[in-house]
Amino acid sequence: AQRVTQPEKLLSVFKGAPVELKCNYSYSGSPELFWYVQYSRQRLQLLLRHISRESIKGFTADLNKGETSFHLKKPFAQEEDSAMYYCALSPPRSGGYQKVTFGTGTKLQVIP
Amino acid sequence: EAGVTQFPSHSVIEKGQTVTLRCDPISGHDNLYWYRRVMGKEIKFLLHFVKESKQDESGMPNNRFLAERTGGTYSTLKVQPAELEDSGVYFCASSPLGGPNTEAFFGQGTRLTVV
Repeated sequence: AQRVTQPEKLLSVFKGAPVELKCNYSYSGSPELFWYVQYSRQRLQLLLRHISRESIKGFTADLNKGETSFHLKKPFAQEEDSAMYYCALSPPRSGGYQKVTFGTGTKLQVIP
Repeated sequence: EAGVTQFPSHSVIEKGQTVTLRCDPISGHDNLYWYRRVMGKEIKFLLHFVKESKQDESGMPNNRFLAERTGGTYSTLKVQPAELEDSGVYFCASSPLGGPNTEAFFGQGTRLTVV
């Protein structure tokens, strides 16, 4: 069965400190992996996906197939990074977006 | 361009009543998804429409839930009769049919409270 685990419900860091939001997954095969973010009073939105290998708002995520992890990192946290972050996976692409399995989410709180 | 719109934003109903949630996807998006987050738990997939057809409804919890997408445009999710455990936030998402870089866009969610 596919599963996404985010062990931390809440992560508090000081502004300027490094951030690492942990995510481990369970999937038979090679899934697509994503990070979604939900800022206060805003809708859920895609932050980044592993196939794009991009950095968005200073965040990066490296897929480690050996450890089945996809941790989200940022070297220097900003106050505007405070939000709920969801790690997610979907089956490998076969023509368009597939249904997504989400983790329980980690609330990131950046302290001024 | 308007995003995915969901109505209502909040609904409080009594156990046993019926509630209908609506989702208007982004114009031209053939894929439409419903998800639900029950308090303290993960966001869970409910079902997937491609145009007006149900592609995958494996996440629907039971037969008290009925989803429709008339004409392949907006979708409704009806809960009848509602139970306490149905409380949560219901999200809708839409995406175009297409290649590997398609992205799903989410609505703001409907918060359902069953009392």
